[in-house]
Amino acid sequence: GNSVTQMEGPVTLSEEAFLTINCTYTATGYPSLFWYVQYPGEGLQLLLKATKADDKGSNKGFEATYRKETTSFHLEKGSVQVSDSAVYFCALRMSETSGSRLTFGEGTQLTVNP
Amino acid sequence: KAGVTQTPRYLIKTRGQQVTLSCSPISGHRSVSWYQQTPGQGLQFLFEYFSETQRNKGNFPGRFSGRQFSNSRSEMNVSTLELGDSALYLCASGQGTVATNEKLFFGSGTQLSVL
Repeated sequence: GNSVTQMEGPVTLSEEAFLTINCTYTATGYPSLFWYVQYPGEGLQLLLKATKADDKGSNKGFEATYRKETTSFHLEKGSVQVSDSAVYFCALRMSETSGSRLTFGEGTQLTVNP
Repeated sequence: KAGVTQTPRYLIKTRGQQVTLSCSPISGHRSVSWYQQTPGQGLQFLFEYFSETQRNKGNFPGRFSGRQFSNSRSEMNVSTLELGDSALYLCASGQGTVATNEKLFFGSGTQLSVL
């Protein structure tokens, strides 16, 4: 079946450090890929997405590139802020018929210290 | 614009009981999906409704059911509760159709504890 694997957390960084959260996937076919973020006490929010190979999604300084050859969609940010502390989820969606059916990774807790 | 509203925020039930959770999507959104979030299994898709019809279903037993009303509000029901049903239940709404629904808006969830 389809699956998403994220790097184990939690991740703790100092403000202005470089962030990478690894995400790899297993899927039959070519999924759309997503990063969702969950801030404390809030629901998940879409952070960025990519729908085909070599697409780069970006938002709020975060970036991720859809790499078909390595089946990866790593999340990066050049300089994190305390306000980026949250849980980050990588997810895939297989096709239009999947609708809202997303397959999520385990989530990675990020803590940014001042 | 109000976000996705889930009620109640917390629930405590005992084994064998049944429970109903409610979700009001963002105004104008016609798609509602439900997810179960647990520390062990992570986020797992339960089902999706669009225009009062179930469009997709995850791998959960028949004790888990749902419905959607004409105003797009949705309810999910779990019958004969088991300890393993303790979880955060998340509702998400989408603006598009089943085919175009890529951006989901999640509520804060209902935390269900089964004793």
